[in-house]
Amino acid sequence: QSALTQPASVSGSPGQSITISCTGTSSDVGGYNYVSWFQQHPGKAPKLMIYDVSNRASGFSNRFSVSKSGNTASLTISGLQAEDEADYYCCSFTSSAPNYVFGTGTKVSVL
Amino acid sequence: EVQLVQSGAEMKKPGESLKISCKGSGYSFTTYWIGWVRQMPGKGLEWMGLIHAANSDTRYGPSFQGQVTISVDNSINTAYLQWSSLRASDTAIYYCARNRNGDHYFDYWGQGTLVTVSS
Repeated sequence: QSALTQPASVSGSPGQSITISCTGTSSDVGGYNYVSWFQQHPGKAPKLMIYDVSNRASGFSNRFSVSKSGNTASLTISGLQAEDEADYYCCSFTSSAPNYVFGTGTKVSVL
Repeated sequence: EVQLVQSGAEMKKPGESLKISCKGSGYSFTTYWIGWVRQMPGKGLEWMGLIHAANSDTRYGPSFQGQVTISVDNSINTAYLQWSSLRASDTAIYYCARNRNGDHYFDYWGQGTLVTVSS
C-alpha cells in the first residue's frame, strides 16, 4: 500500500493562495469520495480540517477549500496567514487494509 | 467534551515489551473505531491499524501485521497498542484517533505517545 503523493513543500506570501495536490489511484482517491485533510503544527497532534472531500471541520474557515478530479484531490489555502505554516496531510479511504492511507505530507511555509 | 488521552512517554531498550494506551471519554466508545498512527522522527503519518471498539474487529496495515498487536477493553473505554520485542526503529510518536462506524474520517486525536527505543 503506497502513500498518496503530495509535494514536499509549498510556500507563499501572506495573502496569497497556495494549492496542495494529493495524487492516488482508482483504489483510493479516485474510487471514493472519502478524502480528508489534516493540519499538523510542530509538536502537535494532527487536526482534522476537511472530510468527505469537501466538508470543513469545526474551526476551519472557508479560506480552506478542496476539489477532486480523478485520482487527484487538492487543498487550496486562500489569504495565506502566518498561522497556516504547518504540515498538511491528505488521507483517503482505500480498498486495502487497514482501509486508510495518508499522503506523504506537505510543509507549508509563509514567506 | 470528547477526549482521547494517551499514556505517557516511554523509554525502552531493544528487545523489551511495551503496551501503550488510549482512553476515550465524552462519547459512546463502542460506536467508534480507534486507529493507531505512527510518526517517525521528522517523517510523515502512517496508519498502523484500526480496531472496532465494540467487537474488536482489527485491521492491520501490511507493514505492521505481525509486528504489533492492537486490542481494546471497552469496559474501561481504552484501546491499546503493544509490542512484544521493541527495535530501535520503533522509535516514534504514536497517535490514536477515532472514526465513527460508517464514517470515513478521524475527527478526534490523542495527544501522542513518544516511544524511544535505545540501548
